[in-house]
Amino acid sequence: GAGVSQSPSNKVTEKGKDVELRCDPISGHTALYWYRQSLGQGLEFLIYFQGNSAPDKSGLPSDRFSAERTGGSVSTLTIQRTQQEDSAVYLCASSLGGTSGLYEQYFGPGTRLTVT
Amino acid sequence: AQSVAQPEDQVNVAEGNPLTVKCTYSVSGNPYLFWYVQYPNRGLQFLLKYITGDNLVKGSYGFEAEFNKSQTSFHLKKPSALVSDSALYFCAVRDIGGYGQNFVFGPGTRLSVLP
Repeated sequence: GAGVSQSPSNKVTEKGKDVELRCDPISGHTALYWYRQSLGQGLEFLIYFQGNSAPDKSGLPSDRFSAERTGGSVSTLTIQRTQQEDSAVYLCASSLGGTSGLYEQYFGPGTRLTVT
Repeated sequence: AQSVAQPEDQVNVAEGNPLTVKCTYSVSGNPYLFWYVQYPNRGLQFLLKYITGDNLVKGSYGFEAEFNKSQTSFHLKKPSALVSDSALYFCAVRDIGGYGQNFVFGPGTRLSVLP
């Protein structure tokens, strides 16, 4: 079946512009995560959606970052007034749901964001 | 709050030799533990997980990991390394009963298998 897809795969933007990154999770996966990965580094948690519950936004680095998930499926991560330090690969993952934590995450290929 | 350590940034091993990638964790309760692999220019792929039961867990591509509660470790192993195993490996932990930031990932260990 189809995996997690993300678009665009690459995005180059000028400092100060807004960007939107999209994630299509695996059908039937109620949990969705966004992470940020700097070059060759670990994963930084950004935000977590589980079903219709309020998202856990505790990882968002500033109020320039926001995310939404429409209809329990597609998610959009928005970065306003981008800064050079926002340059990274943004990864989306989905998993079967619930708060049990039993289920592994399936990752998309990522969006490489470059802020010039 | 849970945390994960991968004490080695880089592991080098000769092809055909056994490999070990180390992971230690800290949680307040019982852990769920995961290993992921990231091949060059590709997304992260799930390798294996420990939820409960046997401490030795077998996963994809011939990898296995051993859960050791007393040492709070979950080291990844493979009896005979392949050059194609060269990649970035991440250990992740989930504290059972927690919510929100469900998974904490380690910083990653780069494995290089030399021919």
